Amino acid sequence: GEDVEQSLFLSVREGDSSVINCTYTDSSSTYLYWYKQEPGAGLQLLTYIFSNMDMKQDQRLTVLLNKKDKHLSLRIADTQTGDSAIYFCAEMRGKFYFGSGTKLNVKP
Amino acid sequence: GAVVSQHPSWVICKSGTSVKIECRSLDFQATTMFWYRQFPKQSLMLMATSNEGSKATYEQGVEKDKFLINHASLTLSTLTVTSAHPEDSSFYICSASPTSGGRQETQYFGPGTRLLVL
Repeated sequence: GEDVEQSLFLSVREGDSSVINCTYTDSSSTYLYWYKQEPGAGLQLLTYIFSNMDMKQDQRLTVLLNKKDKHLSLRIADTQTGDSAIYFCAEMRGKFYFGSGTKLNVKP
Repeated sequence: GAVVSQHPSWVICKSGTSVKIECRSLDFQATTMFWYRQFPKQSLMLMATSNEGSKATYEQGVEKDKFLINHASLTLSTLTVTSAHPEDSSFYICSASPTSGGRQETQYFGPGTRLLVL
């Protein structure tokens, strides 16, 4: 995961929007993903975006992709306490490369 | 759909023993499964790619004789940690890519197996 970078922590209040950022290094990556990991559990696929797209929205989740800057973001609208978890971005270039994960803490 | 299970969910063993972890795709077939290792507060590290009916492909630095992988069917891959030592204690996560009818670039993850070697 050393080629995919994320900030380590994000703290927001319940009801606010959360934005988790990720930078990747290979512009030839075909798919980019966001996974959620709750304590002691495996990874849950939240959403993914194909590299020819700029944006994808799925209910409270919005993914923005800036290919020029190799920047991917995940916006969670109306963040809830149940959204507290670690969020991993990942790029697919032959195999998966994961970022270090961003721990989202949602305060009531 | 797209459920992956792992068994056991956690295991404690003595140093020197071998431990087998199973990864199953419950509602789809997976020609390819992946084994990851995750240390506390760190990201996932790909250990090996498991291919049904053929030898696994190991990442650099992963000992193939230490971590034996068998992918005997389209729904089951096993990881055996041989002669386990305390430094092998970790969280092991498998994932599977659907063979057909789904996006093969998508991986579905199991819930993980926590191994503690005493």
